Amino acid sequence: QKEVEQNSGPLSVPEGAIASLNCTYSDRVSQSFFWYRQYSGKSPELIMSIYSNGDKEDGRFTAQLNKASQYVSLLIRDSQPSDSSTYLCAVRARDDKIIFGKGTRLHILP
Amino acid sequence: ETGVTQTPRHLVMGMTNKKSLKCEQHLGHNAMYWYKQSAKKPLELMFVYNFKEQTENNSVPSRFSPECPNSSHLFLHLHTLQPEDSALYLCASSQERLAYEQYFGPGTRLTVT
Repeated sequence: QKEVEQNSGPLSVPEGAIASLNCTYSDRVSQSFFWYRQYSGKSPELIMSIYSNGDKEDGRFTAQLNKASQYVSLLIRDSQPSDSSTYLCAVRARDDKIIFGKGTRLHILP
Repeated sequence: ETGVTQTPRHLVMGMTNKKSLKCEQHLGHNAMYWYKQSAKKPLELMFVYNFKEQTENNSVPSRFSPECPNSSHLFLHLHTLQPEDSALYLCASSQERLAYEQYFGPGTRLTVT
């Protein structure tokens, strides 16, 4: 049973456009949700966290959470080539373990 | 140094060797974690330590042995590993075990021959 699912991609987005990354999770009681960015050969870097339904904005990044649909997304506005990376969705499950998805590879086309 | 550091960054070892991975965090956090990242698989949590006490062991084989002498240092002792143990081993820390954000070190790329 997959607990956190992400489309592996690659997702190709033109520079300057909005990149939309999606994640679904299976544990309905999950309360905490995170997005990490991981460049090739590097470690994951936390970029956003969200705990309540709705949108949370931080610069060019917006996290969206819909607990009823068990869906969390990350929007990147004005995409830059430097945004090309793998984005990991992580969810804190009922036993407080953080479960990671396999990640979505994002490629920003110059 | 700042953040979470790990040494060595790369390690090649034979199946009969014994080696140790080291992690140090300079963030004043109380919880530390070991993760394994293999190709095309999600990050797998291995061990969790909170205030030097092990709180989780995710059914990790005994050939991996963690040690946490204090809240700033975490070791992973390796012995008689298998080729399928080759992976990126990541250390992370957070303020508390139930804290929300984890910060990762650069990882150790381990190859077992």
